[in-house]
Amino acid sequence: EAQVTQNPRYLITVTGKKLTVTCSQNMNHEYMSWYRQDPGLGLRQIYYSMNVEVTDKGDVPEGYKVSRKEKRNFPLILESPSPNQTSLYFCASSSSPYGYTFGSGTRLTVV
Amino acid sequence: QKEVEQNSGPLSVPEGAIASLNCTYSDRGSQSFFWYRQYSGKSPELIMFIYSNGDKEDGRFTAQLNKASQYVSLLIRDSQPSDSATYLCAVNGAAAGNKLTFGGGTRVLVKP
Repeated sequence: EAQVTQNPRYLITVTGKKLTVTCSQNMNHEYMSWYRQDPGLGLRQIYYSMNVEVTDKGDVPEGYKVSRKEKRNFPLILESPSPNQTSLYFCASSSSPYGYTFGSGTRLTVV
Repeated sequence: QKEVEQNSGPLSVPEGAIASLNCTYSDRGSQSFFWYRQYSGKSPELIMFIYSNGDKEDGRFTAQLNKASQYVSLLIRDSQPSDSATYLCAVNGAAAGNKLTFGGGTRVLVKP
């Protein structure tokens, strides 16, 4: 089944403890992206990648890192999480600069 | 000014009626336009995309694009209770890459 898989689905962590949210797609898509979704603010792009080793900042990249070492994987790294990064995170992929297929989401709480 | 604007709703429509959703965007060079449906607690699901001025129909959904007015709309015909969801408009801007910008979404409630 063609899909974008994120893990974990739910995560509660403490301020400052480094974490990684994994994202993997099995559709051989070139484009991958991370979004966060917050009430009243909608979906905002954090980072995106056009291909292996090619990444660029979205609208809200501060406090996040990404890497694209393999085409299928695009992990999101929070080096020192803070409470304002509590959010619902979505990974997405696309075969072209067109519509994305989204993963199921990761609900992160930073206390 | 937000890059992509939608009325947050809720838009309440009776079952069987037409739901009309609107979206405006600020980047005049935008190339492609998308409508996503998001049920509560779920991920966004692509339902329509449109690149050229005019109408595009897919089943009960029709997307309309007017680049001169920087306006894109979605019509849902014969609305069903299962159409109750938040509908997100997304725009792929003129800049390189795949920076898809979303509007805040319109919540639609279809009442039996």
